[in-house]
Amino acid sequence: DAEITQSPRHKITETGRQVTLACHQTWNHNNMFWYRQDLGHGLRLIHYSYGVHDTNKGEVSDGYSVSRSNTEDLPLTLESAASSQTSVYFCASRQGRTGELFFGEGSRLTVL
Amino acid sequence: DQQVKQNSPSLSVQEGRISILNCDYTNSMFDYFLWYKKYPAEGPTFLISISSIKDKNEDGRFTVFLNKSAKHLSLHIVPSQPGDSAVYFCAASESGNKLTFGGGTRVLVKP
Repeated sequence: DAEITQSPRHKITETGRQVTLACHQTWNHNNMFWYRQDLGHGLRLIHYSYGVHDTNKGEVSDGYSVSRSNTEDLPLTLESAASSQTSVYFCASRQGRTGELFFGEGSRLTVL
Repeated sequence: DQQVKQNSPSLSVQEGRISILNCDYTNSMFDYFLWYKKYPAEGPTFLISISSIKDKNEDGRFTVFLNKSAKHLSLHIVPSQPGDSAVYFCAASESGNKLTFGGGTRVLVKP
């Protein structure tokens, strides 16, 4: 079965370290998204991509970057982790520009 | 400024009764709305959607109502079951583009 997987599922890091969260989907979807989930804020969009070599900023993109070198992967990088980036991160994908998103199981990141 | 708001952070309902979840939005350009359900330690999963050309959409026990003039949508779950206990997110998009989510409502269905 096609799927979307995130790794690591749990990560503890220190302030100032670089962290990369991986997202891999096997549906061959063009559109991929990164969200963070925080209490009271729901899911907020960090970055998204509509295809290879395309990346766009979402509403909370400061301190994060993404790259899209192939269809399957959209890694999310925190250049210098901050305690405010402690959160649960979800990757999602869909084929077209419309319709439902399919989410990964999430990556819980703790920045100490 | 939150464009999509779920003003009730939690809801408790007896098994077999109706659960009503509410969602308000401010962006009049939103034309496609979705509800997602999320269990702990899992990603959100799609539940039901509605286009702005409709005011109601049903799928089994789940019905979504859209009131465009009030910029309000609601999700009705009838009858509620213990397995419906989860966090529910409403989401909206403009021309099917990126989704903007509300803060979520935690539903507890008591046996």
